[in-house]
Amino acid sequence: NAGVMQNPRHLVRRRGQEARLRCSPMKGHSHVYWYRQLPEEGLKFMVYLQKENIIDESGMPKERFSAEFPKEGPSILRIQQVVRGDSAAYFCASSPQGGGYTFGSGTRLTVV
Amino acid sequence: GESVGLHLPTLSVQEGDNSIINCAYSNSASDYFIWYKQESGKGPQFIIDIRSNMDKRQGQRVTVLLNKTVKHLSLQIAATQPGDSAVYFCAEIRGSGNTPLVFGKGTRLSVIA
Repeated sequence: NAGVMQNPRHLVRRRGQEARLRCSPMKGHSHVYWYRQLPEEGLKFMVYLQKENIIDESGMPKERFSAEFPKEGPSILRIQQVVRGDSAAYFCASSPQGGGYTFGSGTRLTVV
Repeated sequence: GESVGLHLPTLSVQEGDNSIINCAYSNSASDYFIWYKQESGKGPQFIIDIRSNMDKRQGQRVTVLLNKTVKHLSLQIAATQPGDSAVYFCAEIRGSGNTPLVFGKGTRLSVIA
């Protein structure tokens, strides 16, 4: 079991470009969560998805951010028109039904 | 607003000593708590958890204590080793099942050899 796989590990984007972060959950896990971590801070919840459904997006910025978890393939966190304030580490976690969270190694986004 | 927080942002201990990392929470409805370890450049790693119907839980070299009266959680690491150097987060779940985790700010533990 390869665990939660996130890619890319590092992503550099210029201001105004789009960033796409991918997360493949552990085998058998149907729940995916995205968190953002600024330097020297804790992880802030962004969005919780199940296959083809957004369950809770209370932590997502209203504009420029979107997430999906299609029936086939990884979950995608998409940030449009990135700004410097989007620079952070983005972590994905997955869980089976009932809980039990496993985190990936994160994607470190740098906006220049 | 309600949040999970930590008392100390940094902690330095001598190798071999015991470490105690503290966490305060404000939501009495939280019923499940987890301690995570995060090493530089890595994702959070599960250490130990405790449910609200328990006061204490022990693992290998780690103990979590829960004081519901004062809404306080602590992580004790026995015989701290250099490999324990990391940032430690407490997280709470307000609900059950697949409810998202709410993280505290973190404590950086530095072990002095």
